Amino acid sequence: DIVMTQSPLSLPVISGEPASISCRSSQSLLDRHGYNYLAWYLQKPGQSPQLLIYWGSNRASGVPDRVSGSGSGSDFTLQISRVEAEDVGVYYCMQALELPITFGQGTRLEIK
Amino acid sequence: EVQLVESGGGLVKPGGSLRLSCAGSGFTVNDVWMNWVRQAPGKGLEWVGRIKSRTAGGTTDYTAPVRGRFTISREASKNTLYLQMDSLHTEDTAVYYCATEDRSSYEHWGQGTLVTVSS
Repeated sequence: DIVMTQSPLSLPVISGEPASISCRSSQSLLDRHGYNYLAWYLQKPGQSPQLLIYWGSNRASGVPDRVSGSGSGSDFTLQISRVEAEDVGVYYCMQALELPITFGQGTRLEIK
Repeated sequence: EVQLVESGGGLVKPGGSLRLSCAGSGFTVNDVWMNWVRQAPGKGLEWVGRIKSRTAGGTTDYTAPVRGRFTISREASKNTLYLQMDSLHTEDTAVYYCATEDRSSYEHWGQGTLVTVSS
């Protein structure tokens, strides 16, 4: 199975400051067509997960442009340029290159 | 607007069975890849399994811990996805979400339904 490792696991951030979450996979998620099979989700408290980023760097519908995804191969980053209260929750990366689909452990973002 | 509504969760004894439903609206369940993802209390997300769209063959895949015990199916007339869970273990206790798959990611999620396996 592909192992997904996120860091940090806890991320206290001052409102208005930037935040960055790392996700590393145990093997490359880049396929021969140039797509990275990596997605990012945010699970707000008491809610279902919501899609933020697909194919490594494509913003999902309705996601603000202060949220961005980057990286390729086995090293990926989710960045929030200016953290707001609505960004609080647990962030997960997920690989969909191979079965079983696997998720990272989650990174809990809180406002300091 | 795409909506997914899960139902069927509850308390069941170890070894028992339960069938979860995921009613779709705003799209056709047969025409998309559908997944089940679960989340044990206080834990992270775990993929359970998926069913491909009808045009992609409609085949199913499962994570190893549930293979042979869980079955994913669809009922077109009700536009509903199902997860039949047999021989339940205490470690199957979780909130179960259904989700649509597109561009190798899960764009739409249901609200989840809680399954508790306990004697």
